[in-house]
Amino acid sequence: DAGITQSPRHKVTETGTPVTLRCHQTENHRYMYWYRQDPGHGLRLIHYSYGVKDTDKGEVSDGYSVSRSKTEDFLLTLESATSSQTSVYFCAISESWDQPQHFGDGTRLSIL
Amino acid sequence: GIQVEQSPPDLILQEGANSTLRCNFSDSVNNLQWFHQNPWGQLINLFYIPSGTKQNGRLSATTVATERYSLLYISSSQTTDSGVYFCAAVMYSGGGADGLTFGKGTHLIIQP
Repeated sequence: DAGITQSPRHKVTETGTPVTLRCHQTENHRYMYWYRQDPGHGLRLIHYSYGVKDTDKGEVSDGYSVSRSKTEDFLLTLESATSSQTSVYFCAISESWDQPQHFGDGTRLSIL
Repeated sequence: GIQVEQSPPDLILQEGANSTLRCNFSDSVNNLQWFHQNPWGQLINLFYIPSGTKQNGRLSATTVATERYSLLYISSSQTTDSGVYFCAAVMYSGGGADGLTFGKGTHLIIQP
């Protein structure tokens, strides 16, 4: 499938600590997305990027920030993690906003 | 934003049975995708189908954009078809597109 690597794949951390998740792609796609998946809510968009240094908020952006300094990397940061941010985080990429999105394997984040 | 509803929420079938999963959406869409989330949590692209009909082996999908629904057909089910099937859509709103909006999924169990 599409060349998308998420790291780390699993992380356990404590409330109040900063956390950064990385999404790396080898497809040179313009669009990159971060979603979270929670029981009862399905997947929800956190932030997305439509080019280097171009980002916008999604449905559940509070408590998260993102950065994209080069085409292949999209970082998601939790400045001060809270237990409500325990979730599975997925990165996705697409050539354009109306083209199919392809997903990475996810990062399972637990905040104690 | 767009609303996506899937039915049924749960489905249990015997191996070899056929099934139809439905996705209703609240507005015109520019992108509609079907995914299979396997027991390992990976999101597998099944179809990119904003309109029309596509087939891939035992799976096929039809989207009737004018009536705002999409159907996923699974024929001759196998135990490996078990998992959660998600429908997701994107609608361009003039100010931009906000990534995929997911339905809550259909949890399919295929019993041997």
